Amino acid sequence: GESVGLHLPTLSVQEGDNSIINCAYSNSASDYFIWYKQESGKGPQFIIDIRSNMDKRQGQRVTVLLNKTVKHLSLQIAATQPGDSAVYFCADNAGGTSYGKLTFGQGTILTVHP
Amino acid sequence: EPEVTQTPSHQVTQMGQEVILRCVPISNHLYFYWYRQILGQKVEFLVSFYNNEISEKSEIFDDQFSVERPDGSNFTLKIRSTKLEDSAMYFCASNGDPAGNQPQHFGDGTRLSIL
Repeated sequence: GESVGLHLPTLSVQEGDNSIINCAYSNSASDYFIWYKQESGKGPQFIIDIRSNMDKRQGQRVTVLLNKTVKHLSLQIAATQPGDSAVYFCADNAGGTSYGKLTFGQGTILTVHP
Repeated sequence: EPEVTQTPSHQVTQMGQEVILRCVPISNHLYFYWYRQILGQKVEFLVSFYNNEISEKSEIFDDQFSVERPDGSNFTLKIRSTKLEDSAMYFCASNGDPAGNQPQHFGDGTRLSIL
């Protein structure tokens, strides 16, 4: 069945370190992937997305890597800051359109220690 | 930056009562969504809405749920007869790009508590 799941439920890093959050997906028809950040009491906030015709995409301090062979997605955050502490969700379109429903993973709690 | 706004931020309702959750999507967006998140769990899709009709719905979105775009700015989710298990955060999202090249943008949610 379709599912998007995370390997690590929690990640604790020191300020200034690089963080890597991983995600596995199961639907080989998925062709649009997205990372959201959710702070306490807030809704998911868009970080970065990637389509299946790419294997890497960079934003400001963030990079998303897509490995379609093993159906794996990762989010790299450079020079992690305390303000990056949040829950991070990966999501995909489960083979539908990228304006259709998103299927979310369980989430990884990132804690950044000053 | 334009944002999705949701009201109320917290709704407390007796079981069996009707609730309406309200959302104002980003003004030029065309696609609208409702998701829910039970405490400690992942975000789950409920329904998508485009061109004044439901595009897709999940098995969660049963006959007790309905959506409406009553005017040019609001998008509502109604639960007709609430159950205890409807307690969750409900998020509205919108997307403006018909080609699907833009991400869904989420509001900060309504916390629904059923007593």
